[in-house]
Amino acid sequence: DTAVSQTPKYLVTQMGNDKSIKCEQNLGHDTMYWYKQDSKKFLKIMFSYNNKELIINETVPNRFSPKSPDKAHLNLHINSLELGDSAVYFCASSLRGSGGLETQYFGPGTRLLVL
Amino acid sequence: TQLLEQSPQFLSIQEGENLTVYCNSSSVFSSLQWYRQEPGEGPVLLVTVVTGGEVKKLKRLTFQFGDARKDSSLHITAAQPGDTGLYLCAGGTGGFKTIFGAGTRLFVKA
Repeated sequence: DTAVSQTPKYLVTQMGNDKSIKCEQNLGHDTMYWYKQDSKKFLKIMFSYNNKELIINETVPNRFSPKSPDKAHLNLHINSLELGDSAVYFCASSLRGSGGLETQYFGPGTRLLVL
Repeated sequence: TQLLEQSPQFLSIQEGENLTVYCNSSSVFSSLQWYRQEPGEGPVLLVTVVTGGEVKKLKRLTFQFGDARKDSSLHITAAQPGDTGLYLCAGGTGGFKTIFGAGTRLFVKA
């Protein structure tokens, strides 16, 4: 059983399009995250939800909109895709969200390429 | 802004050699974690250290948290090809957020 799953694994799209990435965790965790990993492998937090409530919203363009329909799911919708959005997007979850004290379980990543 | 700097950025060594990678900051962190990421996969937690000066060992890997909780090191003894990967340090801020370093890419040649 996959603990944190993401779909799709690969996403190739044209500039200006709108796309969504889905994430699901079956660990019963309260907190879920979206990270962006750029070509230099720098992993940067974008959003975090705790019990469906937004708790972290870093300086991310408002073209990115997360949505958590329930504790087990955190989706990411991106409007008007730009070349600079090309990256690997990781979903993660942790039990309560105690940053740095808990294990974060990462999904396999979604490789987004904007042409 | 809290930042974590990792060095070296890239390390290529022969099997059997020892190595140390570093994670440094000017800020104090409540905890420090090390993750390993293999190509095409997400990071996987190796260890969490929370007390200044703490040392933890995981088989051939030794992790240390600096006394002032601003830095950490990872030492690998007798590296093996299976140790190849991206090693990321991550600092706990005491809230929900974790700050990640840019990583050290390790390649161990057989």
